[in-house]
Amino acid sequence: QVQLQESGPGLVKPSETLSLTCTVSGGSISSYYWSWIRQPAGKGLEWIGRIYTSGSTNYNPSLKSRVTMSVDTSKNQFSLKLSSVTAADTAVYYCARDTASGYYDSSGYPGYYYYGMDVWGQGTTVTVSS
Amino acid sequence: EIVMTQSPATLSVSPGERATLSCRASQSVSSNLAWYQQKPGQAPRLLIYGASTRATGIPARFSGSGSGTEFTLTISSLQSEDFAVYYCQQYNNWPQRDVTFGQGTKLEIK
Repeated sequence: QVQLQESGPGLVKPSETLSLTCTVSGGSISSYYWSWIRQPAGKGLEWIGRIYTSGSTNYNPSLKSRVTMSVDTSKNQFSLKLSSVTAADTAVYYCARDTASGYYDSSGYPGYYYYGMDVWGQGTTVTVSS
Repeated sequence: EIVMTQSPATLSVSPGERATLSCRASQSVSSNLAWYQQKPGQAPRLLIYGASTRATGIPARFSGSGSGTEFTLTISSLQSEDFAVYYCQQYNNWPQRDVTFGQGTKLEIK
């Protein structure tokens, strides 16, 4: 079964760039969308963005100016960079798989049936502090 | 941005009883809604997608309903392992648009 594992520094200094990688094992990274989600201690979930294996991305508008995601299909990995971090970026960061199936409607337009974020990593804690 | 509001923030229910959790969207999301369960120290787990379809391996005591802006997650007979935090998530116009989560409902033992 597919498993995800986040990795990266647990401590980042203010104003620097947070960098995390998610490694996919037990299956292929191809033909899926992959998301990053974060959760400050004691708070709710915040979606950061998603990337498709083609490299196309969608980011949370509130973080868009600071977020970059990339994918390396040869390593079965995808990555997150968040620049100019502050203490407010301290959180548990999760990677997750978005599962969906595509179709074409009667007019030939593409659509998706989305089945949720069905596989999650265990999460990695990132603290922003000097 | 579509804002998701969950109520109540905390729900106290006895084991064996029924729990009903609510989620409201700031605008219609059709049936593009999922529910997740999160236990302390764990990643969220997908329960429901499409507002009412149980994910693989999810027990039948979990059911989802609603469409448009009003949604409900019902747990018919609470088991000890069901006490957790539950989040709703809208994914309208996926993958072109962003997804948003509700703030969560903590289901605690009464």
